[in-house]
Amino acid sequence: AQSVTQLDSQVPVFEEAPVELRCNYSSSVSVYLFWYVQYPNQGLQLLLKYLSGSTLVKGINGFEAEFNKSQTSFHLRKPSVHISDTAEYFCACGGSQGNLIFGKGTKLSVKP
Amino acid sequence: SAVISQKPSRDICQRGTSLTIQCQVDSQVTMMFWYRQQPGQSLTLIATANQGSEATYESGFVIDKFPISRPNLTFSTLTVSNMSPEDSSIYLCSVIGPGGGYEQYFGPGTRLTVT
Repeated sequence: AQSVTQLDSQVPVFEEAPVELRCNYSSSVSVYLFWYVQYPNQGLQLLLKYLSGSTLVKGINGFEAEFNKSQTSFHLRKPSVHISDTAEYFCACGGSQGNLIFGKGTKLSVKP
Repeated sequence: SAVISQKPSRDICQRGTSLTIQCQVDSQVTMMFWYRQQPGQSLTLIATANQGSEATYESGFVIDKFPISRPNLTFSTLTVSNMSPEDSSIYLCSVIGPGGGYEQYFGPGTRLTVT
C-alpha cells in the first residue's frame, strides 16, 4: 500500500532563513509526487510535482524539491522564506486509482 | 489548469439533517474526487466519481452516508446525510487536470460545522 510520511508536524523559522520540509513515501508502483500548500481558510494549491525526468523540481514561490529514489524522499526546500510562506504544506503521492494520498501536513510558521 | 467552484463555502447544520455540496468545473473532466479534511488533519479520499457510473467509495465511507451524483462532465454533488458533530470537516472536490496524469486541482472547499 502507498503511504506518505511528513516527519515534522510544525516547523517554526525566522524570515529569510532557509527551510526544509521533509517527506518520505512508500509505493510499489510508479511514483508521482506532489507538494501542495494550503493558506489559512483556503483550498489547496499545487506547489510542484515530480512525474519523471530530472530529480530536482522547481515550483512556484521559489520552492524546489528533490526526488531521491534510494531514500524514498521528496523534501521541499526554500533558500529564504517570507512571512507570506506561513501555511500548511502537504506532500502527496499518486494512488492506484488516480487519486492522491496525502501526508499529515507540516505547518510552516515564519516569524519576523 | 482547471478552475473549480464549490457551494456552499461554509455552513452550520443541525445534527440529523443533510447537506448537499456542489462542485462545478470550468472544463469537462472524466474523474472527480471528493476528499474530507477533518480539523487539524490531512485529506482523506471519500470517493471517486466518474460520469455515467456509480461512485467508488473508499474504506470507511458508504453510499448511504455520502451519496454522490455525477450528472455530467462538469458537475458533481456530495451529500452528507444524517449529520453528526463528527462530520464537521472541510469537504473538497478535485479533478485531474486537462493534461491527464495525476496532477489534481482542488476546489476551495466547503467548511461544515455540525452542532
